[in-house]
Amino acid sequence: SQKIEQNSEALNIQEGKTATLTCNYTNYSPAYLQWYRQDPGRGPVFLLLIRENEKEKRKERLKVTFDTTLKQSLFHITASQPADSATYLCALSDQTGANNLFFGTGTRLTVI
Amino acid sequence: DAGITQSPRHKVTETGTPVTLRCHQTENHRYMYWYRQDPGHGLRLIHYSYGVKDTDKGEVSDGYSVSRSKTEDFLLTLESATSSQTSVYFCASTTDSLTGELFFGEGSRLTVL
Repeated sequence: SQKIEQNSEALNIQEGKTATLTCNYTNYSPAYLQWYRQDPGRGPVFLLLIRENEKEKRKERLKVTFDTTLKQSLFHITASQPADSATYLCALSDQTGANNLFFGTGTRLTVI
Repeated sequence: DAGITQSPRHKVTETGTPVTLRCHQTENHRYMYWYRQDPGHGLRLIHYSYGVKDTDKGEVSDGYSVSRSKTEDFLLTLESATSSQTSVYFCASTTDSLTGELFFGEGSRLTVL
């Protein structure tokens, strides 16, 4: 069965630096990869989606890369702020999309 | 934000009792989903709906049933709750199941004693 690993449970980073979160997967060939943000006690909020044929996507201070050879996605937050502190989830789906969407356990980012 | 609400937000019940969680969305989204979130696990799909009266099983559907009689409402039922069903349950919806973003509710925390 597919396995999704997010590099670490927790990541602390200094304000103003770039935070880099990793999502690795095995036994799967995703067509789409999504990143969500989740604050304590809240539901996840969609951030970005990248397709398998896209290498990189940007949105404001966010950048996502998708390397299907390495089976890895990197999620970057530049000029990080304390307000960026949250848990970030990656999620993968095949061609059926959200009807077959698998989530990682998340990385808790703290910007100090 | 998409108008998606869950009720109840918190519930404590006893093993063997039936429980129904409700998800209500005001965005006219065609697709709706129920997930559970547990420590050490990512969000796991329980059931989903692709239209009124059209539902299908997800990854962890055993012990759960769903119903969708109206576009805006998606109900999750635990016929006979067990302690292993203690979890936080999230509902989500979208207009585009392929590439559309999922809009999540705030979650329903269920404790089965």
